[in-house]
Amino acid sequence: DVEVTQSSRYLVKRTGEKVFLECVQDMDHENMFWYRQDPGLGLRLIYFSYDVKMKEKGDIPEGYSVSREKKERFSLILESASTNQTSMYLCASSLSDRPRLSNFGPGTRLLVL
Amino acid sequence: KQEVTQIPAALSVPEGENLVLNCSFTDSAIYNLQWFRQDPGKGLTSLLLIQSSQREQTSGRLNASLDKSSGRSTLYIAASQPGDSATYLCAVGPGNTGKLIFGQGTTLQVKP
Repeated sequence: DVEVTQSSRYLVKRTGEKVFLECVQDMDHENMFWYRQDPGLGLRLIYFSYDVKMKEKGDIPEGYSVSREKKERFSLILESASTNQTSMYLCASSLSDRPRLSNFGPGTRLLVL
Repeated sequence: KQEVTQIPAALSVPEGENLVLNCSFTDSAIYNLQWFRQDPGKGLTSLLLIQSSQREQTSGRLNASLDKSSGRSTLYIAASQPGDSATYLCAVGPGNTGKLIFGQGTTLQVKP
């Protein structure tokens, strides 16, 4: 089955910890994305990548960084977790050609205490 | 700046009813539009994608339309079932990068 997987469904971390969220896709997609979803704010784009070692900031990149060393894997890094980063994190991927259908992973619910 | 709005925020209907979910966007220069379904605590499942040159797409009991000039899309669900209960999200692709701008969603409850 083609799919996007995320390393954890639930994660609890302490303020100040460095947090890694991993996303893997098996569809050979060029584009990969990290969104966060919050009640009342909807889904917002954090970072995206259109190729290995390439990255671009989305709408809310502050406090986050990303890594794409291999085509299938896109990591989101919280350098020093804060309570306002408690959220649902969703990874997605798509081809660079039409129709650019986005496929989403199951999400990681992160709680920062 | 592109903004996507979905009205209503919540909808409750009896089983068997046909229903329409609405999505509006402020900038008509879009690349594509996608409709997703999200079950509580889960990720997003893609339902339909409409390219900017298309007017509608159909999949089973679902039909999505796109009117770029008026900045509107609708998702029509025929003969609704309790299993259709979920949050439905509309997302606009503003360019060819694959990025999406989401609406807040419509939470649908279909009562048996």
